[in-house]
Parts: sequence; C-alpha cells; structure tokens
Amino acid sequence: DSGVTQTPKHLITATGQRVTLRCSPRSGDLSVYWYQQSLDQGLQFLIQYYNGEERAKGNILERFSAQQFPDLHSELNLSSLELGDSALYFCASSAPGLAGQETQYFGPGTRLLVL
Amino acid sequence: GENVEQHPSTLSVQEGDSAVIKCTYSDSASNYFPWYKQELGKRPQLIIDIRSNVGEKKDQRIAVTLNKTAKHFSLHITETQPEDSAVYFCAASGGFKTIFGAGTRLFVKA
Repeated sequence: DSGVTQTPKHLITATGQRVTLRCSPRSGDLSVYWYQQSLDQGLQFLIQYYNGEERAKGNILERFSAQQFPDLHSELNLSSLELGDSALYFCASSAPGLAGQETQYFGPGTRLLVL
Repeated sequence: GENVEQHPSTLSVQEGDSAVIKCTYSDSASNYFPWYKQELGKRPQLIIDIRSNVGEKKDQRIAVTLNKTAKHFSLHITETQPEDSAVYFCAASGGFKTIFGAGTRLFVKA
C-alpha cells in the first residue's frame, strides 16, 4: 500500500457523460500527478499539481480538467466521454524535494469503462 | 519533444537467467531515473531509482546503470524468478517533467 488512495475503483458510464475521479495523496506530499493508461499501453502523463497550483501539463485533452484542493486532494474531471477514454487512471503523489527528483508513489487506479 | 525509448518491448527468459532492459532519453535536463514494476491490473511500484550523480546502484538482485553522456540507463535483474514476471517502466525526470518509457513485458519461464 503506497498511501495514495483513489476513488472509485471502477466506473462504468456512457458516451457523452461526465465523471469525476478523486485522489488523496500520501500524508505530507504536496504534489499530485494524473496518468492515463489504456489497455496494454504505457503511462501517459496528464497533469501535475503542487500545493494547489498547476505545475506541469502533459497530453491532457481539453475535455479533461483537474484541480487540487486546499486539503491537497485532487479531482480529475472527464467530460463528453468517448469510447476511447476507457482506461485505467492513476494518481501519484510525491513529497517536496529537489525539482525533478521527487519519487512518485502511485495509487491503485480507477478503471473507467465508457459504453 | 522529449521522449524516452525503452527496449525491448517484450522479454522472455528462463528462470535463473538475467534480464536487461534498456532506456534512452533525450532531455539533457533529466537527472532522476526511477524504474517501476507493474503487475497485471495493479499500480506501478517503484523498485529502484538512480540520480545523475551516480553511475550504478544495486539492491539485491536488481541493479541500474546510468551513462549520462550517452543518455542511456539500464535495469539488470539477476537470478530471475517467476514472480519477476510483470511490465517494467523506466522514466526520466528533470525540472517538473517525468517521461515514462513504453514499458517492457517480462516473462520468466519456470
């Protein structure tokens, strides 16, 4: 157990719908990262937050958005869902450290299925 | 843009043999190189990492080497066991960016 929690574990929804995925980082971690992993694919970096502020952005679609709240939990919002959005979504967190050298600890993931 | 190439994509070894996975990165600012193991349907777990001021690091059966000049780093697993079967990801991190390789699926045959 990494100490990073994600809810829900599974989510089934229909095309065109909107969902929210939630992540709570490890105690003391200020950074939260979101990744998308499609079937048998690698980890695609979506976005990073540090202490409530957006720090880095990857290949995140305009239909997706995220935020980090004052209590440091983060939410990833996916809207106008398409079949291709079906994937495993991971959240990771890291403690403050030298920029670029923070170890990321992953949560268990949320498996999203869009029908 | 920056990327990390990982080879091979699939690796099959006999139990007890060694396995080597290689990664090449493009961003000169990268200074931290973690390796993750992901079992089917589970989260990636850090197994070893190396920072740019070190050329090699070892932890029991696992070792990582780094050649900053050539922008190469490698994972070495000795005396492989069936429970080593998983997908392994390398990553290169620098500034506020971490880029993952595409992964290597390792099969260890008993």
